[in-house]
Amino acid sequence: ELKVEQNPLFLSMQEGKNYTIYCNYSTTSDRLYWYRQDPGKSLESLFVLLSNGAVKQEGRLMASLDTKARLSTLHITAAVHDLSATYFCAGRQGAQKLVFGQGTRLTINP
Amino acid sequence: SQTIHQWPATLVQPVGSPLSLECTVEGTSNPNLYWYRQAAGRGLQLLFYSVGIGQISSEVPQNLSASRPQDRQFILSSKKLLLSDSGFYLCAWSGTGRPAETFGSGTRLTVV
Repeated sequence: ELKVEQNPLFLSMQEGKNYTIYCNYSTTSDRLYWYRQDPGKSLESLFVLLSNGAVKQEGRLMASLDTKARLSTLHITAAVHDLSATYFCAGRQGAQKLVFGQGTRLTINP
Repeated sequence: SQTIHQWPATLVQPVGSPLSLECTVEGTSNPNLYWYRQAAGRGLQLLFYSVGIGQISSEVPQNLSASRPQDRQFILSSKKLLLSDSGFYLCAWSGTGRPAETFGSGTRLTVV
């Protein structure tokens, strides 16, 4: 059974700094997903990583996938306050099931 | 364009009362439909998914049930709510051209 673990679970950082959120998964997953959730809101899809070595970037966020290490990373460059949210990674188990990590609550301070 | 609607947005229900949450998708046909639950401060847990009308797969044995009476309609129900049923319930869909699940706005259920 697929297990997905994120770290850190809580991250407080200053604007302008860089940081990385890590997502490890336990068994083969052919796809890795990143979502963002604002407080009290639903989930917004950020990235879908489909193969080993995949890298996707959107603004100050960049996600990558290493299927051999069973690791995905979400890198934040020059953080701004608007990026404060909870970030989830998820792997695909079977055809239908998304298995989510615990989430990383990111707070960016001025 | 495809949209997903979920209602109500918030719900406060007494223990032992019934529950019905509805989700509809527009702008697509034969979507895969999902119900997730998120406990406070936690990740998401898949409750049910459906690949077609009348086809329901349950992931977690519990006090809840799901039905899909129409192609783009997914309903989450309970006959008698428990305190532990409180949480944030999210409907989602996926399908052709959508590699990631798209989530509805969610229903915050508080059982008192």
